[in-house]
Amino acid sequence: GIQVEQSPPDLILQEGANSTLRCNFSDSVNNLQWFHQNPWGQLINLFYIPSGTKQNGRLSATTVATERYSLLYISSSQTTDSGVYFCAVERWFGNEKLTFGTGTRLTIIP
Amino acid sequence: DTEVTQTPKHLVMGMTNKKSLKCEQHMGHRAMYWYKQKAKKPPELMFVYSYEKLSINESVPSRFSPECPNSSLLNLHLHALQPEDSALYLCASSQAGTGELFFGEGSRLTVL
Repeated sequence: GIQVEQSPPDLILQEGANSTLRCNFSDSVNNLQWFHQNPWGQLINLFYIPSGTKQNGRLSATTVATERYSLLYISSSQTTDSGVYFCAVERWFGNEKLTFGTGTRLTIIP
Repeated sequence: DTEVTQTPKHLVMGMTNKKSLKCEQHMGHRAMYWYKQKAKKPPELMFVYSYEKLSINESVPSRFSPECPNSSLLNLHLHALQPEDSALYLCASSQAGTGELFFGEGSRLTVL
């Protein structure tokens, strides 16, 4: 099956800093999503981005499908940004399921 | 507010108990999912229902029994669980199984 690796595994930043999280995947995909899992466990949708660039407030994401990677940018970090960030990919042929990456644990220090 | 609601949020059960987790969505989605997540790991798929029919079972032990009574509801029946089944159980839904996934808040299960 498809392999999904995220980097870095852990990231600790001061409030106000910017960060870039990376997601690499081993094969072509039809679907890529970024999620933020808050400390209570809920997975919150950030972006549905199989290709291209999207922005939502302080967050933006870019997926370069031909090179099999996606980036999540967080600017002016706030303590509420803390948690684990997952990318997840899916291929629609062969009934392949949504496969989650290894995650990046982000801690924002006041 | 999440549009996928799960109950209960927390559940503690003994190994001989029978309990159920419930999930409901009102987004008109026709695919619903159960995921299991252990601490510090990514979610792992357990079951997928598409148009109320079980389409994927990821070799889950029979002590977990899913049920989809209608397009809005998804249950996970639990019986004779083991302590290693303690985890966060997440429900999700999407359009027709090939679109954006939306997750509920999860049910945190502890098996004693």
